[in-house]
Amino acid sequence: EVQLVESGGGLVKPGGSLRVSCAASGFTFSNAWMSWVRQAPGKGLEWVGRIQSKTDGGTTDYAAPVKGRFTISRDDSKNTLYLQMNSLKTEDTAVYYCTAGEGRYWGQGTLVTVSS
Amino acid sequence: QSALTQPASVSGSPGQSITISCTGTSSDVGGYNYVSWYQQHPGKAPKLMIYEVSNRPSGVPDRFSGSKSGNTASLTISGLQAEDEADYYCSSYTSSSTWVFGGGTKLTVL
Repeated sequence: EVQLVESGGGLVKPGGSLRVSCAASGFTFSNAWMSWVRQAPGKGLEWVGRIQSKTDGGTTDYAAPVKGRFTISRDDSKNTLYLQMNSLKTEDTAVYYCTAGEGRYWGQGTLVTVSS
Repeated sequence: QSALTQPASVSGSPGQSITISCTGTSSDVGGYNYVSWYQQHPGKAPKLMIYEVSNRPSGVPDRFSGSKSGNTASLTISGLQAEDEADYYCSSYTSSSTWVFGGGTKLTVL
């Protein structure tokens, strides 16, 4: 059974940093292209970014609002995906989901709140 | 990249059919056959219902179907059931090698 479990969310001040993680199991993580999607409270879904598998180049792509501030990385030895968020803004407050299989599999999400 | 345009809400009675539209541009919906549809119930993670315009993942009822014409994709749900009441989102691959979501449509089953 495919499982994606996010962790690391919490409260952070504007301008601060936070790293959230996504532990994967039930599939060959190293072959998977992984994505992050976020959802602000009461709002719609917003694509954050994606990382290719290393065998396909390991390239990352980001949505315009987070480009230059957020970094997606992966540790295939730990079956874990990361999202490093820097220079956080109040508008980054959201539940952050990791996804795999081009949207087939989703985690339960982790809430990141940016507030002073 | 602007969000794809969806109606804010649609409604239908049990047994009826409804269609949700998703309008983009030639740089996203119109340019690629990579349109997906997601269902989200309150407090839950989204669930993939349609991928690559018209394909259903295993386990998704055949009451759900997808199509595309030009820059507009559509999700049709036939034989509406109470459990179909949820928010629905479309998404598309874009010419910037990114993905974009629609604003979401709230489906009410009357």
